[in-house]
Amino acid sequence: DVKVTQSSRYLVKRTGEKVFLECVQDMDHENMFWYRQDPGLGLRLIYFSYDVKMKEKGDIPEGYSVSREKKERFSLILESASTNQTSMYLCASTLHRGDQPQHFGDGTRLSIL
Amino acid sequence: DAKTTQPPSMDCAEGRAANLPCNHSTISGNEYVYWYRQIHSQGPQYIIHGLKNNETNEMASLIITEDRKSSTLILPHATLRDTAVYYCIVRPNQAGTALIFGKGTTLSVSS
Repeated sequence: DVKVTQSSRYLVKRTGEKVFLECVQDMDHENMFWYRQDPGLGLRLIYFSYDVKMKEKGDIPEGYSVSREKKERFSLILESASTNQTSMYLCASTLHRGDQPQHFGDGTRLSIL
Repeated sequence: DAKTTQPPSMDCAEGRAANLPCNHSTISGNEYVYWYRQIHSQGPQYIIHGLKNNETNEMASLIITEDRKSSTLILPHATLRDTAVYYCIVRPNQAGTALIFGKGTTLSVSS
C-alpha cells in the first residue's frame, strides 16, 4: 500500500514564525502536492512538484514556499506565519501519469496564534 | 468549480449496500471519475476510479453509465466505519492536475 507520511498531525505556532511541514512518500512517486483544506472552500492547491528540485505554483502560493531535494520528500515552508494560514494541510503523491490517483497523508492541522 | 453534483447526505443501515450517486453531465472524453472519502480530521482516502468501464476493487464498485454523464459508487456491505464524506471528482488524464473537491455526500451508517 502507498504510504504518505506527514511529520505532525497537530501543530501550534506563533505569528511571524517560520514553519516547516514535512511529507514523505514510500512509493517512488514523481509527483507530490501540497493542498490546504478549509471549511466551505474545499481543497486548494498550494504547490506541486513533478521531480526533484522542480516545482510549480498552484492556486494559492502566496506566503508559502516548497523544497524538494529528494524524490521521496516534499517540504512546505511558511516563511512568516500569519493567522490566516491556520488550516488543515494535506500532502499527496502520485505517479507522473494522468490516470493514476493521488494518495494523501493524514494531514497536519496547523494553528497560528 | 467542481464539475460534479452529489446529494448532500445519505443514510444506510449497517450490512446493507450503500449506493452513492454522482452526476457529471459535462464530463469530457479524457476525464476520469475518481471517488475519495474523508473521515473527520483525517486525510482523503482514495477509493476507486474509472474512465468508462465499470470497476471493482476490495473496497467498492464503480458503475459508470454508458453516456458517462453519471456514476454510482457501491459499498456492498456498509459498516459503521464507512461513515464519512464521499467525494466524486472528474479529472483529466493529465499528470499533475490538481484534485478539485466539491461538497460531497455525507454518508451515515447506523446499526
